[in-house]
Amino acid sequence: DAEITQSPRHKITETGRQVTLACHQTWNHNNMFWYRQDLGHGLRLIHYSYGVQDTNKGEVSDGYSVSRSNTEDLPLTLESAASSQTSVYFCASSGTSVSDTQYFGPGTRLTVL
Amino acid sequence: AQSVTQLDSQVPVFEEAPVELRCNYSSSVSVYLFWYVQYPNQGLQLLLKYLSGSTLVKGINGFEAEFNKSQTSFHLRKPSVHISDTAEYFCAVSADNQGGKLIFGQGTELSVKP
Repeated sequence: DAEITQSPRHKITETGRQVTLACHQTWNHNNMFWYRQDLGHGLRLIHYSYGVQDTNKGEVSDGYSVSRSNTEDLPLTLESAASSQTSVYFCASSGTSVSDTQYFGPGTRLTVL
Repeated sequence: AQSVTQLDSQVPVFEEAPVELRCNYSSSVSVYLFWYVQYPNQGLQLLLKYLSGSTLVKGINGFEAEFNKSQTSFHLRKPSVHISDTAEYFCAVSADNQGGKLIFGQGTELSVKP
């Protein structure tokens, strides 16, 4: 069965360190998304991609970057982790139609000390 | 631009009682509406979605939602809840001019008590 996986599931890091969160999907979807989930805010879009070599900024992109070198992977990098980036991060993927369902990974809980 | 408001942050209910989780949206264009469920320590899973056509949408696990364009609402209902329905529920909206991006509400925590 097709799936979307994230690693690590839990990560503790220190302020100022670079952190990369992995996202891998076997749906063969062109669209991929990164969200962060914080209490009282629901899910907010960080970055998204419509295909290889395409990346776009979302609502809360400051301090984050992504790259898309193949269809399956969209790693999220925190250039210099800050305590405000402590959150749960979700990756999702979907087909190219605007009405297509987004399928979500299990999430990565990141703590920045 | 679109926005979504979930009117209740927490909804406690007893097992076998009916429940309604409320969602209002705003948009200047036609929208697509989604309800997702998140069980503890898991990712989000689609419950149902409204694209067009019949305003009553049936989803998984006995849930249904009704699209009301005049009231810009998309409330989620279940006639009889189970303990296993305890979870966080998110309403989300997309539109043709959003390229598949979803805008989420703040979430409603449904707590089903025995």
